[in-house]
Amino acid sequence: KNEVEQSPQNLTAQEGEFITINCSYSVGISALHWLQQHPGGGIVSLFMLSSGKKKHGRLIATINIQEKHSSLHITASHPRDSAVYICAVRERDTGNQFYFGTGTSLTVIP
Amino acid sequence: SQTIHQWPATLVQPVGSPLSLECTVEGTSNPNLYWYRQAAGRGLQLLFYSVGIGQISSEVPQNLSASRPQDRQFILSSKKLLLSDSGFYLCAWSQGRLRDESPLHFGNGTRLTVT
Repeated sequence: KNEVEQSPQNLTAQEGEFITINCSYSVGISALHWLQQHPGGGIVSLFMLSSGKKKHGRLIATINIQEKHSSLHITASHPRDSAVYICAVRERDTGNQFYFGTGTSLTVIP
Repeated sequence: SQTIHQWPATLVQPVGSPLSLECTVEGTSNPNLYWYRQAAGRGLQLLFYSVGIGQISSEVPQNLSASRPQDRQFILSSKKLLLSDSGFYLCAWSQGRLRDESPLHFGNGTRLTVT
């Protein structure tokens, strides 16, 4: 059983569409991270949150600690948003381990 | 500012040959360091993590090993590579537990092909 589940696995959208990627986790966490991986392979951190909501440009991340669920929203999607989006959680007990979802591959068509 | 360097970017090695991938972090002290492997189309698999010099935790039994000879240096090694070792290897760092809200920073990765 995976500690972190993401959906959908693959997502194709038309430019301008509103996009939602979901993440559920089963362990106690101290923080949840949304990561972006471009085709070249490099991974960058988009958000780190432990409660509520964060916004950066067209990206919004929310978390519901009680329901162990987070969502990443992209408003007015653009082809440059095409990437793999990965949800990761930092486990609470030792704080030394991260668990990762398998990622959501997003393609935004012009 | 903090930076993480990982090299080489790509590597093609024959089966049975040794491996050494190096990762260094600048601009911070006593980071938690991680080695992950990402197989094609799959999620990140934790291989090793370290919370301090000489302290290595292994998550997956394999023919790989890791060492942390200095505070900000993390090395992934193998004495004899297997075909199944092919993949994309990523080094990462974060602050330790006392700073649970520290981001996870990744190196640019090493694409290893074992032939």
